[in-house]
Amino acid sequence: IAGITQAPTSQILAAGRRMTLRCTQDMRHNAMYWYRQDLGLGLRLIHYSNTAGTTGKGEVPDGYSVSRANTDDFPLTLASAVPSQTSVYFCASSQRAGGGNEQFFGPGTRLTVL
Amino acid sequence: GQNIDQPTEMTATEGAIVQINCTYQTSGFNGLFWYQQHAGEAPTFLSYNVLDGLEEKGRFSSFLSRSKGYSYLLLKELQMKDSASYLCAVSNSNYQLIWGAGTKLIIKP
Repeated sequence: IAGITQAPTSQILAAGRRMTLRCTQDMRHNAMYWYRQDLGLGLRLIHYSNTAGTTGKGEVPDGYSVSRANTDDFPLTLASAVPSQTSVYFCASSQRAGGGNEQFFGPGTRLTVL
Repeated sequence: GQNIDQPTEMTATEGAIVQINCTYQTSGFNGLFWYQQHAGEAPTFLSYNVLDGLEEKGRFSSFLSRSKGYSYLLLKELQMKDSASYLCAVSNSNYQLIWGAGTKLIIKP
């Protein structure tokens, strides 16, 4: 089934630990995105990639890093987790960046940092 | 700064019509999106407007006025399954989406 998957579904993490959230899409989309969603706030862009091999910083990139080694995968790494990174993380993809290109979202990862 | 404003919560009756407003101030404009998000689920695409006017898609319609920085989502013949949050997002000059906090729509029988 074509779509976008994320792993893990949820995670409880001790502060200071390193964590990688995985994201894979099989739609051959060029652009991919990582958002965080917090209660009362809109989705906020963390990092994005317009095409394989390139990445860019979004609105809230501090404490996060990404890589885009191939078209399908776009992992998000928290080098040293802090409680303020407790959130729901959504990965998304679109055929291309910009214009009216609809973004397709993965099911999300609920992360709790204690 | 960049800002998207939507009402936090709205209540409507099954079978009725509801209009969800969105106003925006962004650095540049490359279109406005509406997404639906059921509780605990991912957002799903509803509509995209880049030119002024009304776009109709079944029971859902979306309107845009670029000069006023304003859009609305109109939902007709409301069904219980329409209970969800509705997210307004604007594509800015960098083609990044700036999102509103969402409007939680409660449908009552």
